[in-house]
Amino acid sequence: QKEVEQDPGPLSVPEGAIVSLNCTYSNSAFQYFMWYRQYSRKGPELLMYTYSSGNKEDGRFTAQVDKSSKYISLFIRDSQPSDSATYLCAMISSTGGYQKVTFGTGTKLQVIP
Amino acid sequence: NAGVTQTPKFRILKIGQSMTLQCTQDMNHNYMYWYRQDPGMGLKLIYYSVGAGITDKGEVPNGYNVSRSTTEDFPLRLELAAPSQTSVYFCASSPQGADTQYFGPGTRLTVL
Repeated sequence: QKEVEQDPGPLSVPEGAIVSLNCTYSNSAFQYFMWYRQYSRKGPELLMYTYSSGNKEDGRFTAQVDKSSKYISLFIRDSQPSDSATYLCAMISSTGGYQKVTFGTGTKLQVIP
Repeated sequence: NAGVTQTPKFRILKIGQSMTLQCTQDMNHNYMYWYRQDPGMGLKLIYYSVGAGITDKGEVPNGYNVSRSTTEDFPLRLELAAPSQTSVYFCASSPQGADTQYFGPGTRLTVL
């Protein structure tokens, strides 16, 4: 079983829709949670990071963490064609002073005009 | 402010050849990282550095070496290239640790 599971998609939605992207994890040691956006043939770009359970909002993006269920989500409101990309979740555990980052495999999102 | 730059963008190597992937950042970040990204797999950490002169292995270091003589540069060396090293390589830097990484555009490497 992978430490981080993420549905690869692709997920196709119409412009203006609310998008929900999700990751589940099995390692209780994960303390920090991030979402990256990666356009085709580009490097990942950090969208949001959070340290605690609950919601964090930034513009059209909301990151949600539920540590009890080991489940994180990224919501995109009023989705735009420019949001079409692969979204990677990432999680950090600290082991012996070393911060280990584990990435999900990514969900490909297509927003159709 | 160019951020994180990587060269070359693309490279084809023959089995057994060696090469160095270059990474430079102009943000004065202490932390730097090298990842590889394979289809259907998450990014895997190869090596990381917490400052000039300090490097350590990540999850998949075999077949690679790094050095960090300056804050700005973090080259990745491939010795005796193998087909299993065909991948996209990303360099990243961070001011404070693994939670706020800035990635470069990547180097696409094919080993034939």
